[in-house]
Amino acid sequence: GENVEQHPSTLSVQEGDSAVIKCTYSDSASNYFPWYKQELGKRPQLIIDIRSNVGEKKDQRIAVTLNKTAKHFSLHITETQPEDSAVYFCAASGGTGRRALTFGSGTRLQVQP
Amino acid sequence: NAGVTQTPKFQVLKTGQSMTLQCAQDMNHNSMYWYRQDPGMGLRLIYYSASEGTTDKGEVPNGYNVSRLNKREFSLRLESAAPSQTSVYFCASSPGQGDSDTQYFGPGTRLTVL
Repeated sequence: GENVEQHPSTLSVQEGDSAVIKCTYSDSASNYFPWYKQELGKRPQLIIDIRSNVGEKKDQRIAVTLNKTAKHFSLHITETQPEDSAVYFCAASGGTGRRALTFGSGTRLQVQP
Repeated sequence: NAGVTQTPKFQVLKTGQSMTLQCAQDMNHNSMYWYRQDPGMGLRLIYYSASEGTTDKGEVPNGYNVSRLNKREFSLRLESAAPSQTSVYFCASSPGQGDSDTQYFGPGTRLTVL
């Protein structure tokens, strides 16, 4: 089955700096890669996603890049703000015989004011 | 639209007790999912239902059963709860058949098994 690895597990940045979170996946047939943000005690919320026919996608301060050859994808947050502090999860789906998301283990982002 | 709703929000059980977690969605989605979230381990798929009338096992199905009651509702049952099932349980739904599809999560049920 699919295996998704996520790094780093914790990330601390100064307000205004950029943050990058990286994920690798094992199933070359995976074709959908969402990123979720989860605040303490809350549900995961989709912040951005990318499909395999696209190499990069941006939404204001958030961008995701995908390298299908290397089987890795990354989340980039620019001009970080304290409200960006949360746990971020990457996920992958669409691979052979797999019909639901496989999640990474999460990255706790702390933005220091 | 309420989106995805779950009941109860919190539950404490004793070892061996049974209970059913309820999930409903009002987005006319075909696919529904149950995940559990343990500290430091992300979310793991327990069971999913690609469409009404079908259910399939996920990564960690042991100790659980599910019922897709109708298109809106997907319940998760613990027949004989164990301390290892202490976790936060999230239900999710997606529009299509489950492949390559955006999933929307419910607020979660925090379950403690003593």
